[in-house]
Amino acid sequence: RKEVEQDPGPFNVPEGATVAFNCTYSNSASQSFFWYRQDCRKEPKLLMSVYSSGNEDGRFTAQLNRASQYISLLIRDSKLSDSATYLCVATYTNAGKSTFGDGTTLTVKP
Amino acid sequence: DGGITQSPKYLFRKEGQNVTLSCEQNLNHDAMYWYRQDPGQGLRLIYYSQIVNDFQKGDIAEGYSVSREKKESFPLTVTSAQKNPTAFYLCASSSPGLAGGQTGELFFGEGSRLTVL
Repeated sequence: RKEVEQDPGPFNVPEGATVAFNCTYSNSASQSFFWYRQDCRKEPKLLMSVYSSGNEDGRFTAQLNRASQYISLLIRDSKLSDSATYLCVATYTNAGKSTFGDGTTLTVKP
Repeated sequence: DGGITQSPKYLFRKEGQNVTLSCEQNLNHDAMYWYRQDPGQGLRLIYYSQIVNDFQKGDIAEGYSVSREKKESFPLTVTSAQKNPTAFYLCASSSPGLAGGQTGELFFGEGSRLTVL
């Protein structure tokens, strides 16, 4: 079993749709969590950090459930420019390691 | 501008050759990382270094070597022992995490694409 697992997708949605991505992690010692966005053949870039209290940045909402070891990302009112691969990351700060999921690919269509 | 610079962007290698990928950062981060990404997959950790003159193996270190002689630099050598080296290689550094240790946000270079001919 992989340490961080994501919905494989792909997700194909129309503009304006709401889409949710799920991620689970198996290392209960993980301390920090992030969502990264990766465009085709480019490096990943931080989308948002994920906190237990949940956090929102415009159309994006991230949630962490430590009891269930579950992370989610919600994108509202999808734009064509949201098309990308979204990577879930769990980090074990004491060991200095970040573990990535395989990513979920989103395509937003007109 | 602060950031991470990787070179070369594209590299072709013949079987049996060692190649070295450069990674330089001017973010004053202590921790640096090398990841490998294959098509349709996530990033897998090769090596990481939390401080100068110290580094640890990641999940897929076999066939790779690193050095960390300066805070700014973390070169990766892909040796001939790496059986399937064709991949996208990403170098990153991290800001301090929530607990004050390493591995907060990761900052990536633009990557190096290695192709073995």
